Amino acid sequence: DTAVSQTPKYLVTQMGNDKSIKCEQNLGHDTMYWYKQDSKKFLKIMFSYNNKELIINETVPNRFSPKSPDKAHLNLHINSLELGDSAVYFCASSQDSGGLSGANVLTFGAGSRLTVL
Amino acid sequence: GQNIDQPTEMTATEGAIVQINCTYQTSGFNGLFWYQQHAGEAPTFLSYNVLDGLEEKGRFSSFLSRSKGYSYLLLKELQMKDSASYLCAVSPYNKLIFGAGTRLAVHP
Repeated sequence: DTAVSQTPKYLVTQMGNDKSIKCEQNLGHDTMYWYKQDSKKFLKIMFSYNNKELIINETVPNRFSPKSPDKAHLNLHINSLELGDSAVYFCASSQDSGGLSGANVLTFGAGSRLTVL
Repeated sequence: GQNIDQPTEMTATEGAIVQINCTYQTSGFNGLFWYQQHAGEAPTFLSYNVLDGLEEKGRFSSFLSRSKGYSYLLLKELQMKDSASYLCAVSPYNKLIFGAGTRLAVHP
């Protein structure tokens, strides 16, 4: 049973297209995140939702729109894709939105590799 | 702001001990985390330090000095499967700020 699952795992598309990545967690966690890992391997936070409410938005272009239909799902829609959007996008979850700790850790999905041509 | 530095690459021999250092500057501190990431896979949680000192977990130990903004991850009895990237991350509160990771290659 996968704890945090993302689809698709690979996505190849043309510049200017719109695409979505879906994420689901079955851990019963309240908080979900999107991270972007670029070619230099930096993992950077993009968004965080707690129980369907946006709590972190790290100055991401508004072409990126997260949506959380319920606390177990957090999807990422990207409009007008650009070459610089090519990266691996990781979904993660934590038990709650309070201080992260050894008892409240981030659990990551396997990643979705987006390639924009 | 936040800044996290760790070496880009390290190599070590199977059975040996390796120490991966991390220095950080952060405007808020709620703990330091180490994650392991194998190529093409998800980062997985290894350790957490919030107080100064050493936390030991089997073959892995992590140390923190808050006054120096310094941490290290110690891996003992290295195995080939330990070849991976090791990510140092600081939590100002409810998110993780990651360093670029240290790619460790373990040789026979």
